Amino acid sequence: AQSVTQPDARVTVSEGASLQLRCKYSYFGTPYLFWYVQYPRQGLQLLLKYYPGDPVVQGVNGFEAEFSKSNSSFHLRKASVHWSDWAVYFCAVSAMSNYNVLYFGSGTKLTVEP
Amino acid sequence: EAAVTQSPRNKVTVTGGNVTLSCRQTNSHNYMYWYRQDTGHGLRLIHYSYGAGNLQIGDVPDGYKATRTTQEDFFLLLELASPSQTSLYFCASSDARGQDTQYFGPGTRLLVL
Repeated sequence: AQSVTQPDARVTVSEGASLQLRCKYSYFGTPYLFWYVQYPRQGLQLLLKYYPGDPVVQGVNGFEAEFSKSNSSFHLRKASVHWSDWAVYFCAVSAMSNYNVLYFGSGTKLTVEP
Repeated sequence: EAAVTQSPRNKVTVTGGNVTLSCRQTNSHNYMYWYRQDTGHGLRLIHYSYGAGNLQIGDVPDGYKATRTTQEDFFLLLELASPSQTSLYFCASSDARGQDTQYFGPGTRLLVL
């Protein structure tokens, strides 16, 4: 069965520092993968998505993610974090054969220190 | 820009109460979803639908009913609310294909006393 694990519930970084948020997936075959962001008191917004092709995917606001089939991973990165990136980040995998249902990880709460 | 709206934004009810959460999308999407979000669990799928009159069961359906009256409108019903259903509820819509983005509403915060 498909599933997503985000091993870090909370991550704190200094403004201007680089960031990596980890995501491990379980899926039979090649998956479609997503990163969503949830800003305080808002719904989820898409950051980026992966479907078979280039393993490095560019998203909005300077975010990128790299797909690794050998490691079953889809880690999110940003070279220089801004205070406005303070949010909760969710990784998700699509069950392509089942109505585009998404399976979400438990989320990583990012805190940005000045 | 895709648009999904939810009402009410906040709701307080008592144990055993009857609650209806509403969702409307203006994206002309076929698929709609109801999730609940709880700390430590991320988002969990309650029910989903691929069109008016259709309903599919998600991963955490117990205690919830849903109805899709039109392509635009999807309702979540809690007929005997319990404190365990206190949560943040999100509705989303998407097209049919696996790589398509799901667009989320702003959420409804429900408190069951």
